[in-house]
Amino acid sequence: DGGITQSPKYLFRKEGQNVTLSCEQNLNHDAMYWYRQDPGQGLRLIYYSQIVNDFQKGDIAEGYSVSREKKESFPLTVTSAQKNPTAFYLCASTLGTVISSPLHFGNGTRLTVT
Amino acid sequence: AQKVTQAQTEISVVEKEDVTLDCVYETRDTTYYLFWYKQPPSGELVFLIRRNSFDEQNEISGRYSWNFQKSTSSFNFTITASQVVDSAVYFCALSEALGSAGTASKLTFGTGTRLQVTL
Repeated sequence: DGGITQSPKYLFRKEGQNVTLSCEQNLNHDAMYWYRQDPGQGLRLIYYSQIVNDFQKGDIAEGYSVSREKKESFPLTVTSAQKNPTAFYLCASTLGTVISSPLHFGNGTRLTVT
Repeated sequence: AQKVTQAQTEISVVEKEDVTLDCVYETRDTTYYLFWYKQPPSGELVFLIRRNSFDEQNEISGRYSWNFQKSTSSFNFTITASQVVDSAVYFCALSEALGSAGTASKLTFGTGTRLQVTL
């Protein structure tokens, strides 16, 4: 079955360490996204990528970095510069035309930084 | 800027009750799409429905129905005869185009409504 795989499900890190969250999709979707979810808030866009080797900042990109070397993969690095990294991170992808395509989401990674 | 408001933070109902989740949106675009997603305790967001700005017909899918009213900028979601399995956080979202390649879109999400259905 096609889908989006995020790993790991839970991640714990010490403050000051960089950490990379994995996102792989086998849906052959062109566009991929990273969203952050905090308790009681909606999802906020961190980065997105429309094609391989290209990505753009979303609304809250500071303290994060991404790469898109392969169509299937869009890893997110949470750097030590991110002031409040503890959150639930969701990866998503879309196929098709702008704005009409529903996002397909992975199961998410819950990151805790202490 | 686009905005989506879900004023109901949490709703509790007893099984078999009907429940309506409210969604109000703001946009300057004339063409846009609205979505509802369900987030069960497992965390993954599940797509429920998409509606474009030119289609104001109500839609029914089993126990789910959606009422889109452009005049009041609302896209409300009703669950009829609720069940325990409906317990989840429900998000309303509004899409906008991103970038120049025409293959990406951004969803602006509401803050979600947590629905708790008990026996």
